[in-house]
Amino acid sequence: DQQVKQNSPSLSVQEGRISILNCDYTNSMFDYFLWYKKYPAEGPTFLISISSIKDKNEDGRFTVFLNKSAKHLSLHIVPSQPGDSAVYFCAASAIFSGGGADGLTFGKGTHLIIQP
Amino acid sequence: DAGVTQSPTHLIKTRGQHVTLRCSPISGHKSVSWYQQVLGQGPQFIFQYYEKEERGRGNFPDRFSARQFPNYSSELNVNALLLGDSALYLCASSRGTPGTYNEQFFGPGTRLTVL
Repeated sequence: DQQVKQNSPSLSVQEGRISILNCDYTNSMFDYFLWYKKYPAEGPTFLISISSIKDKNEDGRFTVFLNKSAKHLSLHIVPSQPGDSAVYFCAASAIFSGGGADGLTFGKGTHLIIQP
Repeated sequence: DAGVTQSPTHLIKTRGQHVTLRCSPISGHKSVSWYQQVLGQGPQFIFQYYEKEERGRGNFPDRFSARQFPNYSSELNVNALLLGDSALYLCASSRGTPGTYNEQFFGPGTRLTVL
């Protein structure tokens, strides 16, 4: 049973445009959400996060939106740059409701390709 | 500052064998977590250790075990290897401060192939 779902295996966006990556979750205990970026032969790199008490968090070109009632979050990248081409993972944690362990539950990832 | 380091980088084993993977966290980090990433999937949580105690465990069989040493480095052990254990094993370290989310920093992983 997949608790974090990324339904788009890949996404192609033109350089300079907005990239929108989507993620859905099923576990109501999740209270912290993160996006990681991964290049081949490297470990995932933290990008941006959001607590369940917020609905938006912004960091430079990256914005994460959380819709708790729909159990949906999205990552917006604007403007998209060639260096953004990577696999993006959505992850969730039940840190405050889950007894203290901050093990992450990941989606399958979306391969973002930025075309010149 | 050195990041999370893992050894070995690559490993080939045969079914039924045992494997030990190693991880050194970022200096000052007291928590280490292990994840398994099978091809085409996201990383799956195996264990978290904090101050040498197991803090969390994912849905993995008892063939998987881990420990954390006084210097906060960690080992992941897998017994009786199966073909399905072939994966990238990722280690992540964090400060581990209780009661708050601690950002996890990932190492480059160990690629295990079971033949």
